[in-house]
Amino acid sequence: EIVMTQSPATLSVSPGERVTLSCRASQSVSNTFAWYQHRPGQAPRLLIYGASTRASGIPARFSGSGSGTEFTLTISSLQSEDFAVYYCQHYHNRPPSWTFGQGTKVE
Amino acid sequence: QVQLQESGPGLVKASETLSLTCVVFGSSVNTGYYWGWIRQPPGKGLEWIASLYPSGTTYYNPSLKSRVTMSLDATKNHLSLSVTSLTAADTAVYFCARADVTLDGFPFALWGRGTPVTVSS
Repeated sequence: EIVMTQSPATLSVSPGERVTLSCRASQSVSNTFAWYQHRPGQAPRLLIYGASTRASGIPARFSGSGSGTEFTLTISSLQSEDFAVYYCQHYHNRPPSWTFGQGTKVE
Repeated sequence: QVQLQESGPGLVKASETLSLTCVVFGSSVNTGYYWGWIRQPPGKGLEWIASLYPSGTTYYNPSLKSRVTMSLDATKNHLSLSVTSLTAADTAVYFCARADVTLDGFPFALWGRGTPVTVSS
């Protein structure tokens, strides 16, 4: 079973700052990797898929990178609406399964 | 615009069975997408529960497989999730979501707002 570990658990930042969130897989994985934003009381929102492709409508300040066991989500200049919890997620196709990290809260 | 709306009993007793429904608006459930259920226990992260591809197999999280059943009703255009032998650990917000198979890695590109479930003793 692949385990996704996100760090840090909580990140305290100010608007305008550059934010880097990390996700480490317990073993090397394919780039079937996604990032989500989740604000309290709302539906989670897909930000990045394929490790580095922004989903439709996602601002350019969000970017994803990485491969193997290390993946990163970067917010170039944090806006007030970006305070949320961010989750990484890996898809494994044989058999299909989706594994989430435990989340990083940006406050 | 496609929307997903979950519903459930809110409060259930331990050892009983939970039944949840997700109604799909603006699209047929018989389209070429994976449909899934994901949950979030209080203070914890997201956990994938199950996914189903229309006219195909249903896939379950191995840790929940023995207690979970996911199904699709095309006539009512909704998805269902059943969880048996409930314990307090099943207390969570349960989300319905659609995974887009046209995107690399089949991410969940569409989500409902979730329905809270509390398991009481």
